[in-house]
Amino acid sequence: DTEVTQTPKHLVMGMTNKKSLKCEQHMGHRAMYWYKQKAKKPPELMFVYSYEKLSINESVPSRFSPECPNSSLLNLHLHALQPEDSALYLCASSLRDRSFEQYFGPGTRLTVT
Amino acid sequence: GENVEQHPSTLSVQEGDSAVIKCTYSDSASNYFPWYKQELGKGPQLIIDIRSNVGEKKDQRIAVTLNKTAKHFSLHITETQPEDSAVYFCAASTGNQFYFGTGTSLTVIP
Repeated sequence: DTEVTQTPKHLVMGMTNKKSLKCEQHMGHRAMYWYKQKAKKPPELMFVYSYEKLSINESVPSRFSPECPNSSLLNLHLHALQPEDSALYLCASSLRDRSFEQYFGPGTRLTVT
Repeated sequence: GENVEQHPSTLSVQEGDSAVIKCTYSDSASNYFPWYKQELGKGPQLIIDIRSNVGEKKDQRIAVTLNKTAKHFSLHITETQPEDSAVYFCAASTGNQFYFGTGTSLTVIP
């Protein structure tokens, strides 16, 4: 099973809302990632969790707050977003680091109004 | 840092023809090169990968070749089918660093 699941599939939120994106994998992977993808562009790395600890934060604004409750779950908490944050948010996982195969979830399509 | 260039940005082929997408990288420490296929509205799907100790890898209609000396690698799709239509991304990884190419939009014309 190489499945990474993400919920919700679509999300529309106002700039004052607080919402969370969820990601889950049961492959025993110890590295999990959040990416942001704009139309017709490659995914951009936001955060990396390694063994449930945040190891990379690519200078992401504090209105995005990641959380890794356990080795199978990854959350992205959203607060006070801007319209330019509208994008496809992808979760991925790999066995240890990015020298191993990364498996992506289907993404959450986020629209900020 | 690494720089991964991908060409062409768009590619149209007739069904049954072959498609080739090429990527070049700059960091000689890169040792893992995956290829992803992304269909509209979906996440990227790993379709094939190659490591720096191998020159070629094949999986049915898909093959990847790697030239470490020239620092380039290519994706070859033979006998293309309409369901191969998607955006394809190459990537290069050193383990600590991971860089995507800019993507190729492939259209297979029935």
